[in-house]
Amino acid sequence: DAGVTQSPTHLIKTRGQQVTLRCSPKSGHDTVSWYQQALGQGPQFIFQYYEEEERQRGNFPDRFSGHQFPNYSSELNVNALLLGDSALYLCASTLGGSIYEQYFGPGTRLTVT
Amino acid sequence: ELKVEQNPLFLSMQEGKNYTIYCNYSTTSDRLYWYRQDPGKSLESLFVLLSNGAVKQEGRLMASLDTKARLSTLHITAAVHDLSATYFCAVDRPPLGGGADGLTFGKGTHLIIQP
Repeated sequence: DAGVTQSPTHLIKTRGQQVTLRCSPKSGHDTVSWYQQALGQGPQFIFQYYEEEERQRGNFPDRFSGHQFPNYSSELNVNALLLGDSALYLCASTLGGSIYEQYFGPGTRLTVT
Repeated sequence: ELKVEQNPLFLSMQEGKNYTIYCNYSTTSDRLYWYRQDPGKSLESLFVLLSNGAVKQEGRLMASLDTKARLSTLHITAAVHDLSATYFCAVDRPPLGGGADGLTFGKGTHLIIQP
């Protein structure tokens, strides 16, 4: 049973650049949520994708955008990177648009210099 | 705005001792979650508490929920070194229109258990 996978594992970018992170949900899941976890903090909800649409969004600027593909995998795009975007980005999957019993992926560590 | 507060944020304890981590949240919520995170790793689900008075236990960890007090506790019994990690509580609050609004996490409790 394949769990949630994310790529890449680590990424270093420069301020002003753009980045794309990828997530494949757990087998059988169709809903993907993205979280940002700054060092020493709890994760913060960015948005959720279900049926290829953004269903809910946390308090993040429009620089953060996403996409969900027909196979339920998802991308998180961040434009005009800031130093403060450096964080662990976690993807979580579940079923049917809910957030009950989300399964988290290993995360992508993004460093902005 | 839903707020989740954990205390303590940092805890150092000796093996064999008991201790409790507290999680308070600011508004009514349907579900409360406890997660464990090891350094540099992702989140591992420990417990999902669904109703007032819910109590769940797994090994040396026991979690409870009091929705009237908006309080959950994670109790550690006879701690062992392997339980050293950061523990997060999280709450969800489905928006009135349905769907899911994401989890709101506390800042985490960094637990160190010394031999």
